[in-house]
Amino acid sequence: AQSVTQLDSQVPVFEEAPVELRCNYSSSVSVYLFWYVQYPNQGLQLLLKYLSGSTLVKGINGFEAEFNKSQTSFHLRKPSVHISDTAEYFCAVRLNYGGSQGNLIFGKGTKLSVKP
Amino acid sequence: DAGVIQSPRHEVTEMGQEVTLRCKPISGHDYLFWYRQTMMRGLELLIYFNNNVPIDDSGMPEDRFSAKMPNASFSTLKIQPSEPRDSAVYFCASSFARVTGNTIYFGEGSWLTVV
Repeated sequence: AQSVTQLDSQVPVFEEAPVELRCNYSSSVSVYLFWYVQYPNQGLQLLLKYLSGSTLVKGINGFEAEFNKSQTSFHLRKPSVHISDTAEYFCAVRLNYGGSQGNLIFGKGTKLSVKP
Repeated sequence: DAGVIQSPRHEVTEMGQEVTLRCKPISGHDYLFWYRQTMMRGLELLIYFNNNVPIDDSGMPEDRFSAKMPNASFSTLKIQPSEPRDSAVYFCASSFARVTGNTIYFGEGSWLTVV
């Protein structure tokens, strides 16, 4: 079975500081990897995704993530956060069936709180 | 292009009443998903459809929950009778299978409170 573990439930950080949100996954087959962001009282918005190729992927709002196959990780980073980045961030995997599509399996989420 | 559209956005209902949540996926998308989000359980898949056919409904909690997709542009999630423990945010999402690993797009959610 596949699973996603987000190691930190809450991450407080000061404005303009760097941040890393950690994500590890477990799967016996290849997967696609995603990070979504949820602002208060809103739906989920895609930040970035890894399908194949370069292991460093860049997303919206200055976020990037690096896929590490040997460590089965997909950590999200931003070099300098803003107050507006305060939100909950979800790591997710989708099984690569080689043509068919599966559902997203989500981690429990990490609440990023940016303080002035 | 319009995103995934859900209605109602907010609903407060009394225990025992029937609740119907509605979803219009993005035009042309052939996968549709219903997720539920709670503080205790996080985001969990309830059911998903491919070309209007249910593929996996193992996440549907019990017989009180049912979902239908009568055509490519409309789906409903029904709870009958509703219970306080059904209070949650219900998300509908859709994707297009032709592009491998394509993004799943989420609606804004239906915020359900059962009192």
